[in-house]
Amino acid sequence: GESVGLHLPTLSVQEGDNSIINCAYSNSASDYFIWYKQESGKGPQFIIDIRSNMDKRQGQRVTVLLNKTVKHLSLQIAATQPGDSAVYFCAENITGRRALTFGSGTRLQVQP
Amino acid sequence: ETGVTQSPTHLIKTRGQQVTLRCSSQSGHNTVSWYQQALGQGPQFIFQYYREEENGRGNFPPRFSGLQFPNYSSELNVNALELDDSALYLCASSPSGGGRSGTEAFFGQGTRLTVV
Repeated sequence: GESVGLHLPTLSVQEGDNSIINCAYSNSASDYFIWYKQESGKGPQFIIDIRSNMDKRQGQRVTVLLNKTVKHLSLQIAATQPGDSAVYFCAENITGRRALTFGSGTRLQVQP
Repeated sequence: ETGVTQSPTHLIKTRGQQVTLRCSSQSGHNTVSWYQQALGQGPQFIFQYYREEENGRGNFPPRFSGLQFPNYSSELNVNALELDDSALYLCASSPSGGGRSGTEAFFGQGTRLTVV
């Protein structure tokens, strides 16, 4: 399949380790954030979301942390598996606006 | 699987031609958004449709146009294709629109358009 993100920042981790993917956003008015996973040749897949009235939200093996003071978002993946290898995007939204604004993405490579 | 389907999956067109891409939204979703994703970049918002009307538009020229049908499916039309239009075109459906945002958007697998 095609390659998404040929020149993206890359995070390489060992299978079983925890992964942390970071994202800085620029608009202090953003109040809703989503993490997407995109595998080669596929569309972005929803992972987890968080609203600005929260600073942490947990899902299955994933945790999103939001620091509004420094406009920073992170995605933590516990016990990373080879199937987690993909490009990860954070996206932000402002209530009342239609568009999701995506970050530039990070490629996660999981070494067996 | 998100339930959002796009067709075709791949397409090759010549510069100056016109193209129509199609999207079927997830059941129960009345809002459809289109995004363009160039290689190595994040998706860029083109426009959104809600109740058959354009409900927001990104920084794309008028030769990018769309439609939404009563069953909430949608089309993206691009006229006078340029080489820079080569990209992955993504459709995303959401369960609400028309003033409400901040809800999950579920993407289809995309249509890879190559303009030669």
